Amino acid sequence: DVKVTQSSRYLVKRTGEKVFLECVQDMDHENMFWYRQDPGLGLRLIYFSYDVKMKEKGDIPEGYSVSREKKERFSLILESASTNQTSMYLCASSSPGTMNTEAFFGQGTRLTVV
Amino acid sequence: AQSVSQHNHHVILSEAASLELGCNYSYGGTVNLFWYVQYPGQHLQLLLKYFSGDPLVKGIKGFEAEFIKSKFSFNLRKPSVQWSDTAEYFCAVNAPTNAGKSTFGDGTTLTVKP
Repeated sequence: DVKVTQSSRYLVKRTGEKVFLECVQDMDHENMFWYRQDPGLGLRLIYFSYDVKMKEKGDIPEGYSVSREKKERFSLILESASTNQTSMYLCASSSPGTMNTEAFFGQGTRLTVV
Repeated sequence: AQSVSQHNHHVILSEAASLELGCNYSYGGTVNLFWYVQYPGQHLQLLLKYFSGDPLVKGIKGFEAEFIKSKFSFNLRKPSVQWSDTAEYFCAVNAPTNAGKSTFGDGTTLTVKP
C-alpha cells in the first residue's frame, strides 16, 4: 500500500513564525502535492512538484513556498504564518502521467495560527 | 482551466435510504474522473475512478458512479446507505491540460442517521 506520511497531525504556531510541514511518501512517486482544505471550499492546490527540485505554483501559492530535495520528501513552508493560514493541510502523491493517476493522501496536518 | 461543481454541500439521510451525489465538470475533451471519500478522522482515499470503457463504474463499499459525457456529469450513487457512510465526498477531474493535477469539487458532507 502507498503510504504518505505527514510529520504532524496537529500544530499550533504563533503569527509571524516560520512553519515547516513535512511529507514523505514511500512509493517512489514523481508527483507530489500540497493542498489546503477549508470547509465549503474543497481542496485547493498550493504547490505541485513533478520531480526533485522541480515545483510549480498551484491556485493559492501566496504566503507559501516548498522544497523538494529528495524524491520521497516534499516540504511546505509558511514563511511568516498568519491567522488566515489556519487550515487543514493535505499532502498527496501520484505516479507520473497527466491522466490515469489517482492521488494518495496523507492524514493531514491541522494548523492553527494564533 | 477545468472546474468541478458538486451540487449538494450537505446531505442528511436515514439508514437504508438511497444516495445520489451530483458532480459536473467543465472540460470538453477526454477526462479521468474520481470520487474520493474522507471518513471522520481519516485520510482522503479513493472511492472509485473512471478512465475509459463502461461508463458505469463500481467502487468500494457498494458505491457506483455513472459517467454521462453529454451531460459532463459523474454522479455517485448507493442504493442503501449505512451509518458508516457518514463522510465527506469529493469529486475530482484530471484533464490533459492540467498535467497530472486533479481539480476537486467543494465536497459534499453526508450524514447518515441511524
